[in-house]
Amino acid sequence: DVKVTQSSRYLVKRTGEKVFLECVQDMDHENMFWYRQDPGLGLRLIYFSYDVKMKEKGDIPEGYSVSREKKERFSLILESASTNQTSMYLCASSLSDQGKNTEAFFGQGTRLTVV
Amino acid sequence: DQQVKQNSPSLSVQEGRISILNCDYTNSMFDYFLWYKKYPAEGPTFLISISSIKDKNEDGRFTVFLNKSAKHLSLHIVPSQPGDSAVYFCAASAIGNQFYFGTGTSLTVIP
Repeated sequence: DVKVTQSSRYLVKRTGEKVFLECVQDMDHENMFWYRQDPGLGLRLIYFSYDVKMKEKGDIPEGYSVSREKKERFSLILESASTNQTSMYLCASSLSDQGKNTEAFFGQGTRLTVV
Repeated sequence: DQQVKQNSPSLSVQEGRISILNCDYTNSMFDYFLWYKKYPAEGPTFLISISSIKDKNEDGRFTVFLNKSAKHLSLHIVPSQPGDSAVYFCAASAIGNQFYFGTGTSLTVIP
């Protein structure tokens, strides 16, 4: 069974802290994504990676960085957390299949609150 | 600018009736379209997809229709059940590219 696992379901951090959100997938997928979900704004892409050590900025990368040292793991880093980064963070992965579209599989989400 | 739009934030339907959720997109390069269902405090789960070479795809109670000329897709759920109550997101992508999501429609199925 397909599995994307995020390290925490709920997290509370202080303003200015460095925050690490971890995501692991067991499907040998090439592509991995970090989204945030906010009311009325849907899912917005922060960063994505199509291979180990490769990364691409999404629509809202400011204030975030990512790391992909191993194929199965994609980390989202908030360098200095701010209250406007309070959100639901969703990790996803998908297969890279030449000439074929495939769906993305999501983790259970991390509800981050920055106080 | 939002490339995928869901203009109805919410929808209420009686149990047993048809639910129709709509989605519009602007990028003509999109060739793959998906619907996801999301419960509160959980990640989205994949529901159904359609390639741009088709205009209809059916899976049980769920059918997705694609109108490429209008850049419009819709999800039909029939018959609707209370367990279908959730937020539904449509998404679109071009091959090898990222997924773009709409803002979601909250469906309530009334018993």
